Amino acid sequence: RKEVEQDPGPFNVPEGATVAFNCTYSNSASQSFFWYRQDCRKEPKLLMSVYSSGNEDGRFTAQLNRASQYISLLIRDSKLSDSATYLCVVALDQTGANNLFFGTGTRLTVIP
Amino acid sequence: EAGVAQSPRYKIIEKRQSVAFWCNPISGHATLYWYQQILGQGPKLLIQFQNNGVVDDSQLPKDRFSAERLKGVDSTLKIQPAKLEDSAVYLCASSFGGPPMAEQYFGPGTRLTVT
Repeated sequence: RKEVEQDPGPFNVPEGATVAFNCTYSNSASQSFFWYRQDCRKEPKLLMSVYSSGNEDGRFTAQLNRASQYISLLIRDSKLSDSATYLCVVALDQTGANNLFFGTGTRLTVIP
Repeated sequence: EAGVAQSPRYKIIEKRQSVAFWCNPISGHATLYWYQQILGQGPKLLIQFQNNGVVDDSQLPKDRFSAERLKGVDSTLKIQPAKLEDSAVYLCASSFGGPPMAEQYFGPGTRLTVT
């Protein structure tokens, strides 16, 4: 079983739409959670951390459900520039090596 | 602030040949990571350095892959001999070292094609 599972998409949504991505993780000892964004043929970049209480950054909202081992990312009012692959990342602890797991990514295309 | 530098950006080699990639992390970042990203997949950690020491290399195929970070700054990753399945983007990342661990900054990657 994979450590992190994501729906690969692709998600094709019109500009202005709201879209949500989900991610599940298998290890209940996971401690840190993040969403990274990766543009086509570019490197991944940190989008936002995910906290237990949920957190928001502009049009982006991330939520964590530890009981269900589930992470989500909500994008409101989608822009063309949001088109990218969104990678769910889970870390088992904050000091150990080999404890960082990336999902396969969910591809989003925002259509004019 | 300068980002993580990697070279070369692209490399095409034949199977059984050798290849080396170079990475220069962000100044002051103690932790350096090498990842392999196969098309359609997320990055997979190969090796992590803390300064010039290896923290973990359990996912590094040591029969053909090696990496070093001799002076605790830049690093090289080598593949010898290469196989077709090594075709991937090799990403270098660095972080300041403290938590949260996953706030890593990635370089542009080296796209390797093995024919």
